Amino acid sequence: DGGITQSPKYLFRKEGQNVTLSCEQNLNHDAMYWYRQDPGQGLRLIYYSQIVNDFQKGDIAEGYSVSREKKESFPLTVTSAQKNPTAFYLCASKRGGEGSAVNREQFFGPGTRLTVL
Amino acid sequence: GESVGLHLPTLSVQEGDNSIINCAYSNSASDYFIWYKQESGKGPQFIIDIRSNMDKRQGQRVTVLLNKTVKHLSLQIAATQPGDSAVYFCAERGAGNMLTFGGGTRLMVKP
Repeated sequence: DGGITQSPKYLFRKEGQNVTLSCEQNLNHDAMYWYRQDPGQGLRLIYYSQIVNDFQKGDIAEGYSVSREKKESFPLTVTSAQKNPTAFYLCASKRGGEGSAVNREQFFGPGTRLTVL
Repeated sequence: GESVGLHLPTLSVQEGDNSIINCAYSNSASDYFIWYKQESGKGPQFIIDIRSNMDKRQGQRVTVLLNKTVKHLSLQIAATQPGDSAVYFCAERGAGNMLTFGGGTRLMVKP
């Protein structure tokens, strides 16, 4: 089955710790995205990557870091600099990069709920 | 379940009735719109999309209407079923080719 997987489903972090959220896709999609979802709010873009070894900051990148060493993987690290990290984190992928007319739809993973203790 | 959508507007409908969920978008230059469905504890699922050169598009039991004059998007679900209970939100693609998401509406279907 093709799709996007995120792990773990639930993650607990102590204050001051860095944690890394995994996102893997076997859809052969070029673009990948990380969003944060808070209660009552729309998805907010953290980082995105249109191609391997390249990524750009989204609207709320402070306190987060990413890497894109492989096409299928786009891990997100929540650093201790992120002051309010408790949220639901969603990864998405899309076939074409931004500006591509091919398949504008983003496919989402199942999400990771991060809680700071 | 997940705490997504704790403070969302809620639409409650009777099973079998039609549902209409509304979305106001902000960017008059947006050229593409998507409706997503998100069940508790899961990632959003694509429902239907529409380009800005259209004003209506129909899928299976769902219809999206686009009114560019007032920057309004609606999702109509025919014969609503219990399995339709979820949070629904729209997304618009603007000048930067990035998607901007609305806050969502919770649909509750009463049996």
